[in-house]
Amino acid sequence: NAGVTQTPKFRVLKTGQSMTLLCAQDMNHEYMYWYRQDPGMGLRLIHYSVGEGTTAKGEVPDGYNVSRLKKQNFLLGLESAAPSQTSVYFCASRATGTRPYEQYFGPGTRLTVT
Amino acid sequence: AQTVTQSQPEMSVQEAETVTLSCTYDTSESNYYLFWYKQPPSRQMILVIRQEAYKQQNATENRFSVNFQKAAKSFSLKISDSQLGDTAMYFCAFMNLLNTGNQFYFGTGTSLTVIP
Repeated sequence: NAGVTQTPKFRVLKTGQSMTLLCAQDMNHEYMYWYRQDPGMGLRLIHYSVGEGTTAKGEVPDGYNVSRLKKQNFLLGLESAAPSQTSVYFCASRATGTRPYEQYFGPGTRLTVT
Repeated sequence: AQTVTQSQPEMSVQEAETVTLSCTYDTSESNYYLFWYKQPPSRQMILVIRQEAYKQQNATENRFSVNFQKAAKSFSLKISDSQLGDTAMYFCAFMNLLNTGNQFYFGTGTSLTVIP
C-alpha cells in the first residue's frame, strides 16, 4: 500500500516553461488537494477536488490548473512557470465516511523556477 | 477564510522534558476539527493528534496531548518526555466541517528542537 505518491520529487524549470505534477493515491479517497509550502507561510491550498471530474479553487489558485480525470490521480499544471512559484508542493487525500477528517500527505515535490 | 496563528516560530526543549506549542484560531463556526501535524526533516507530513470541537475532553495520543479551550479559540500541543525524534516543524490546522471540500487551514508552523 503506497498511500499518496508524487512525481517528480524535484524539478528545476526556467521561467516560462510548463510542467505537470502528478499525485496518485491508492486508498480510494474521494477528496484530493494540492498545497504549496513556503518558508514562514505554512501550507496554502491551491486547488482541490471532491471527486472524479471535479475541481475547485483554493486560497492561491492563480497560475495553476488542475485535472481529476481518474479518481486516483490529481494533476497540477503550471502553464508558464514564474520564480514566485518556487516552492514545495504537497498533495493530500482523504476519505469520506469513517475517519473522514484526516488528510494523508504525499512526500512533496521541490520545484525551483529560475 | 479561517485564520490559524502559531506565535512561536522556534522552540527548544531538553530531552525528557515537557514542551507546549501554542495555536489560536479564528472562526465563527461551531462544527470543526483541529489537528496537529508534524513535519520532520524528511518533509513528510505526519498527523500527531486531532480534536473534535464538540468534544469537551482533550485528546491524548501517548506522549502528545492537547489543551483545547473552545471559548478562547486556543489549541495547544503538549509533548511530554520529549525525544530526539520529536525534532520537527509542527503545524496546527483547522477544518470547517461545513465547507465544501473540507479544506484545511494551516498555521505558519513552530520549529521544535529537542536538545540531547
